[in-house]
Amino acid sequence: QKEVEQDPGPLSVPEGAIVSLNCTYSNSAFQYFMWYRQYSRKGPELLMYTYSSGNKEDGRFTAQVDKSSKYISLFIRDSQPSDSATYLCAMSDSNYQLIWGAGTKLIIKP
Amino acid sequence: NAGVTQTPKFRILKIGQSMTLQCAQDMNHNYMYWYRQDPGMGLKLIYYSVGAGITDKGEVPNGYNVSRSTTEDFPLRLELAAPSQTSVYFCASCNTAGIQETQYFGPGTRLLVL
Repeated sequence: QKEVEQDPGPLSVPEGAIVSLNCTYSNSAFQYFMWYRQYSRKGPELLMYTYSSGNKEDGRFTAQVDKSSKYISLFIRDSQPSDSATYLCAMSDSNYQLIWGAGTKLIIKP
Repeated sequence: NAGVTQTPKFRILKIGQSMTLQCAQDMNHNYMYWYRQDPGMGLKLIYYSVGAGITDKGEVPNGYNVSRSTTEDFPLRLELAAPSQTSVYFCASCNTAGIQETQYFGPGTRLLVL
């Protein structure tokens, strides 16, 4: 079993829809959670960072962490074609090395 | 600011050949990382460096070597290339080791070993 599980997709939704992206993990010691966005043939870029449980909102993006269920989510409201990318979750315990999910490819149809 | 730059963008190697992947950053970051990304897999850490002259192994270091003689540069050396090293390689840097710090990634080097 992988430490971090993420559905690779692709997930295809119409423009303006609410998108939900998810990761599950097995290591209860993880306390730092990130979402990175990666456009085709580019390096990943940090989108959201959350420490421990709870929600964090930044514009159209909301990150949620449920440590009791070992489940994290990224919600995108009013999705745009420019949001089409691969979204990678990453997480860490206290030793600062990131463990990455495989990434979910998201396609927003105009 | 160019950020993190990587060369070459793409390379084909024959089995047994060697090559060096170049990485440079102009943000004066102390921490630098090398990852590989295989299709359907997450990024795997190969090596990292916390400053000039200091390097350490990550999760998948076998078949690779690194050096860090300056703050700016962090080359990755492949010796005796094998098909299993076919991948996309990303270099990243950040200011401190704090996991909340953004890691800035380069555009990647696509390597095909035949």
